[in-house]
Amino acid sequence: QQQVKQSPQSLIVQKGGISIINCAYENTAFDYFPWYQQFPGKGPALLIAIRPDVSEKKEGRFTISFNKSAKQFSLHIMDSQPGDSATYFCAAKGSNYQLIWGAGTKLIIKP
Amino acid sequence: EPEVTQTPSHQVTQMGQEVILRCVPISNHLYFYWYRQILGQKVEFLVSFYNNEISEKSEIFDDQFSVERPDGSNFTLKIRSTKLEDSAMYFCASSEALRGAGYTFGSGTRLTVV
Repeated sequence: QQQVKQSPQSLIVQKGGISIINCAYENTAFDYFPWYQQFPGKGPALLIAIRPDVSEKKEGRFTISFNKSAKQFSLHIMDSQPGDSATYFCAAKGSNYQLIWGAGTKLIIKP
Repeated sequence: EPEVTQTPSHQVTQMGQEVILRCVPISNHLYFYWYRQILGQKVEFLVSFYNNEISEKSEIFDDQFSVERPDGSNFTLKIRSTKLEDSAMYFCASSEALRGAGYTFGSGTRLTVV
C-alpha cells in the first residue's frame, strides 16, 4: 500500500511534442504529490507538486493532472525541449516523514 | 538560491571500513533526510531527523547506520563496516516544514565500496 507505480520506464518524444508520465498510488492517506527532475550526476530537483484538493496545477510548460478517485496523477510537459531530457520521478507523502518514490522515467527529447 | 551541500562528491572505500558522508542543509530548514539511490533503481528513504533526533527510519537504516548533527550546520551519515551492497548515491535533503513542503536535495555522494 506504500507503493507508487510509475510508467513508462522510458519515453522518447520529438521536440515540440507533449511528454506524459503517469503514476498511481494506493494509500489514500497520501496528501502531497511532487514530481522531481534529475539530471545525470545531480540530485533530484523539485519540479512541481500538487495536493489532492485540486485536479490540476500548471507551472509554465509543466502540468500535473490529479485524479483522486482513480488514485492517479500525471505529469505533462508541453512543447518538450531537448533540455527537458532527464529522469523524472513522481513521489507521494502522507503525514509521516518519508517520500515514497516511483521508479523513474527516463525522458529523451529528440531534436 | 539556497542549496544543500554534500561532501565528498565521490567516496571510494574498502569493504569493512567506516565512512562519513557530510551534508550542510539549508540554514532555515528544520527537517533533514538521507536517501539513497542504487544505480538504476528508485530512490529509497533512509532516515529523517528533526529536533536533534531521528524522527523516522526505514528498514534499510539498521545498526550499521547512524546520523548526527554535530553542530548547527552539518548533518552527517555514518556507515560502519561498509558492504559491497552499500555502493550507491546517497542524497541529503532538507525541508522547511513537514507537510506540503518541497524537499531540497543535495547533488549526492557516490559511494563505491570495493
